[in-house]
Amino acid sequence: AQSVTQLDSQVPVFEEAPVELRCNYSSSVSVYLFWYVQYPNQGLQLLLKYLSGSTLVKGINGFEAEFNKSQTSFHLRKPSVHISDTAEYFCAVSDVGLYGNKLVFGAGTILRVKS
Amino acid sequence: EAGVTQFPSHSVIEKGQTVTLRCDPISGHDNLYWYRRVMGKEIKFLLHFVKESKQDESGMPNNRFLAERTGGTYSTLKVQPAELEDSGVYFCASSPAAGGEAFFGQGTRLTVV
Repeated sequence: AQSVTQLDSQVPVFEEAPVELRCNYSSSVSVYLFWYVQYPNQGLQLLLKYLSGSTLVKGINGFEAEFNKSQTSFHLRKPSVHISDTAEYFCAVSDVGLYGNKLVFGAGTILRVKS
Repeated sequence: EAGVTQFPSHSVIEKGQTVTLRCDPISGHDNLYWYRRVMGKEIKFLLHFVKESKQDESGMPNNRFLAERTGGTYSTLKVQPAELEDSGVYFCASSPAAGGEAFFGQGTRLTVV
């Protein structure tokens, strides 16, 4: 069975500082990896995804993530955060070959950007 | 183009009552999913429709939950009778037939008191 662990439930950071949100997964099969963001009072929005190819994936709003197969990690990074990045971030996996099928989510990380 | 729409946005009901949540997927999306997030926990898969057929309902918690997708368009999720532990945010998502990104609705926050 697949599982996703987001190592930090909350990450406080000052504006313009770099941030890393950590995600580890476990799976017996190859996976696709995703990061979703939920802004206050909104639905989940896809931030970026890894399906294949380059292990460094760039997403919207200046975020990027690196797939590390040996460490089964998919950490999300941004070199300089803004107040508007305050939101909850979810890491998720799905089976390879079933893109668009069911996702297994982590518990979420709340990013709080302070001025 | 309209996104995934969920109704209502909030619902407060008493234990033992019935509640029906509705999801309108993006037009033309054959795949429709329901997920639930209980407070402070992971978002968990409930079930997956392909058109009007249930492809995978392995995440449905018990037989108090009934999901339907009439004509392969909108979907409803009925909870009858509701229990306190059913409280949470229910998300709906849809994706095209060939797979691809799942687009999520804003969710329905259900509170059972």
